[in-house]
Amino acid sequence: GQQVMQIPQYQHVQEGEDFTTYCNSSTTLSNIQWYKQRPGGHPVFLIQLVKSGEVKKQKRLTFQFGEAKKNSSLHITATQTTDVGTYFCAGGTGNNRKLIWGLGTSLAVNP
Amino acid sequence: EAQVTQNPRYLITVTGKKLTVTCSQNMNHEYMSWYRQDPGLGLRQIYYSMNVEVTDKGDVPEGYKVSRKEKRNFPLILESPSPNQTSLYFCASTLLAGARNEQFFGPGTRLTVL
Repeated sequence: GQQVMQIPQYQHVQEGEDFTTYCNSSTTLSNIQWYKQRPGGHPVFLIQLVKSGEVKKQKRLTFQFGEAKKNSSLHITATQTTDVGTYFCAGGTGNNRKLIWGLGTSLAVNP
Repeated sequence: EAQVTQNPRYLITVTGKKLTVTCSQNMNHEYMSWYRQDPGLGLRQIYYSMNVEVTDKGDVPEGYKVSRKEKRNFPLILESPSPNQTSLYFCASTLLAGARNEQFFGPGTRLTVL
């Protein structure tokens, strides 16, 4: 079946270092969404990418959608302790009915 | 305040004792769904509802039931809970059905079945 692979599973960084998580799909996606879940919290929507090659920025966060619409990345510049949490990607299937979720990348930031 | 609420937030129960987890949203969203989250397995969809009286199975529906009698409410029912249903459960809603709509999640219900 359709899958969205997300790597790495865990990442430990020093505060101020950069961080990137990647999502790769076995099939072409219609769109991709990114969510953040703080420890003990619930997933919160960050952004959606729809167009091939799209790049969006939110302050220190940069989101990219690949040209083939099969992969995406989230890059955080100069991490802060407030970035701690698990980041999930979720890709829209071709018929636009359902999201396929990645397993998430857990980010820990040492102050 | 626009939100999705779930109750209870925490529940410890025993095998076989029927329970219901309530979910309510105040955003007039059409689409609602239930997920369970387990370590290493991410978010897995249990059931979803595209509108009142319209429900369908997600990826892991076994052992669960749902109903959608009103637009705002989408309760999750475990008729005979078993220990493998110990998990963190999230209800979510979106304005419309479809993968291009932002999902709003409830705060979660942590269920332990002994």
